[in-house]
Amino acid sequence: QKEVEQDPGPLSVPEGAIVSLNCTYSNSAFQYFMWYRQYSRKGPELLMYTYSSGNKEDGRFTAQVDKSSKYISLFIRDSQPSDSATYLCAMSGPNTGFQKLVFGTGTRLLVSP
Amino acid sequence: DARVTQTPRHKVTEMGQEVTMRCQPILGHNTVFWYRQTMMQGLELLAYFRNRAPLDDSGMPKDRFSAEMPDATLATLKIQPSEPRDSAVYFCASGSPSGQGPLRDTQYFGPGTRLTVL
Repeated sequence: QKEVEQDPGPLSVPEGAIVSLNCTYSNSAFQYFMWYRQYSRKGPELLMYTYSSGNKEDGRFTAQVDKSSKYISLFIRDSQPSDSATYLCAMSGPNTGFQKLVFGTGTRLLVSP
Repeated sequence: DARVTQTPRHKVTEMGQEVTMRCQPILGHNTVFWYRQTMMQGLELLAYFRNRAPLDDSGMPKDRFSAEMPDATLATLKIQPSEPRDSAVYFCASGSPSGQGPLRDTQYFGPGTRLTVL
């Protein structure tokens, strides 16, 4: 079993929908939680990160961490076709070295006009 | 517009051949990461360097892979001999201290080298 699990999708939604992307993890020592967006044939780019539990909002994006359930989420409001990409969650903690990120395999999101 | 560059972007080679991938980190970044991405395994960290010194290469098959930073502007990942199972996209990322607690580096990824070993 992988340390970080993520549904590969694809997740298909109409433009304007609220999107929920999720990851579960098994390592309770993880403290930093990140979401990366990866367009086709490109490298991942950091969208958001959160430390420990709680919510963080940035524009249309909200990241949520529930450490008690070992579950993190990324919500996208008013989704746009330009949001179509693969979304990767990543985590790190003191026992892995904070710079060593453990990634999920990614969820492919398709937003149709 | 500062960005990580990687060469070549695509490489097709035959089993047994040597492959060298190059990365130029963002100027001023002192940490460099090498990742491999496949459909089955996702993104896996192979090795990373800080100030040109290798900090961790535990994710790298030691018998055939090697990573070096000859200078601050160049990182290389070499596979010798290459095997079909090495086919993947190899990403380099460089990091800059973000000043936000223990998470010292925000990692900026290059466009990747798509390697196919026949």
